[in-house]
Amino acid sequence: AQSVTQLGSHVSVSEGALVLLRCNYSSSVPPYLFWYVQYPNQGLQLLLKYTTGATLVKGINGFEAEFKKSETSFHLTKPSAHMSDAAEYFCAVIVTGFQKLVFGTGTRLLVSP
Amino acid sequence: GAVVSQHPSRVICKSGTSVKIECRSLDFQATTMFWYRQFPKKSLMLMATSNEGSKATYEQGVEKDKFLINHASLTLSTLTVTSAHPEDSSFYICSASLQRGTTDTQYFGPGTRLTVL
Repeated sequence: AQSVTQLGSHVSVSEGALVLLRCNYSSSVPPYLFWYVQYPNQGLQLLLKYTTGATLVKGINGFEAEFKKSETSFHLTKPSAHMSDAAEYFCAVIVTGFQKLVFGTGTRLLVSP
Repeated sequence: GAVVSQHPSRVICKSGTSVKIECRSLDFQATTMFWYRQFPKKSLMLMATSNEGSKATYEQGVEKDKFLINHASLTLSTLTVTSAHPEDSSFYICSASLQRGTTDTQYFGPGTRLTVL
């Protein structure tokens, strides 16, 4: 069965600093991988996704993630944090042919001035 | 595109009453919709998968008679919490799958905050 591990329930960065949110997955077959962002009391917004092809995926708001099969990782990065990036971020995996999204436990990004 | 709405956004009800939450895909047809529950500071827990015109598939541990799901059309799914109790208080989020490609991307609604007194 597939699973997702997000290291660090909280990540704190200063405005302008690099953002790195870690995600590792477990799947016996090639997965589709997603990053979602959730602002307080709101639903989830899709940031980016990896299905096939290019392993470096660019998303909205300047975020990108790289699929590394050898490391079973899909870390999310942004070169320069903005105050508006403060939110909860969820990594998720879906197995080809199925529709169930499996979520990680989430990482809260805190951005200080 | 790919907008999903939920109604109501917030509901407060008395213990023992039933509450209906609607999930609509506004600009696409969704053959499959999903219902999640999110506890404070926790991840999303899939409750059920709802396919248009057929019975919902519930995850293990989710009471079918408690959480009634109806997917009557390609743009609407409803979740009814029957005889709600305080422990049912939670944030309920729906999502819908686009009917294109094979990426199975899910687009999420804004969520409904249910408080049972």
